[in-house]
Amino acid sequence: GESVGLHLPTLSVQEGDNSIINCAYSNSASDYFIWYKQESGKGPQFIIDIRSNMDKRQGQRVTVLLNKTVKHLSLQIAATQPGDSAVYFCAVCNTNAGKSTFGDGTTLTVKP
Amino acid sequence: EAGVAQSPRYKIIEKRQSVAFWCNPISGHATLYWYQQILGQGPKLLIQFQNNGVVDDSQLPKDRFSAERLKGVDSTLKIQPAKLEDSAVYLCASSLGGGPGPSRELFFGEGSRLTVL
Repeated sequence: GESVGLHLPTLSVQEGDNSIINCAYSNSASDYFIWYKQESGKGPQFIIDIRSNMDKRQGQRVTVLLNKTVKHLSLQIAATQPGDSAVYFCAVCNTNAGKSTFGDGTTLTVKP
Repeated sequence: EAGVAQSPRYKIIEKRQSVAFWCNPISGHATLYWYQQILGQGPKLLIQFQNNGVVDDSQLPKDRFSAERLKGVDSTLKIQPAKLEDSAVYLCASSLGGGPGPSRELFFGEGSRLTVL
């Protein structure tokens, strides 16, 4: 099976700084990766995804980096804002098997 | 566009009692998922439906949990009898179909928080 781990369960940053959240996975067959944001009392919300044939993808203020060699992906948030405070999950997918596994999440706190 | 609807939002029961949760996915979404999210952890898949058929229920504790998706639209998840360790948020998600993948992102409901005393 797949195991997904996060390097830090909590991260605290100053407003305006950049944030980096990391995720490690174990199964080399994983081919699709997603980052979710979960605010208190709500369900996870899709932020950005990346396929295994890419190593970088950018969205609005967010960038996902994928390093398949070491089975690691990261989410970078530029100019972090108080509204970015939430729990961030990576989900690692094996689309051939139709399986996805969530990590345990990193709680991001943005200090004003 | 209406999102994934779940009810009830909160439920408190005694151990050994039963409880049921309801989910109405986004219209047109063929795949429906039930996840269990224990406090401080990521969501764990309990069961995945494609239309009204079960795709994956390998993580569903079938001695006490059951789920159905009659007519391939809304779904119910039941726990009977509940145990203390079932205290969690039960999340329903839906997607266009075919399991997780590009252009088949999961849309989650707000969840049903269960407390078992």
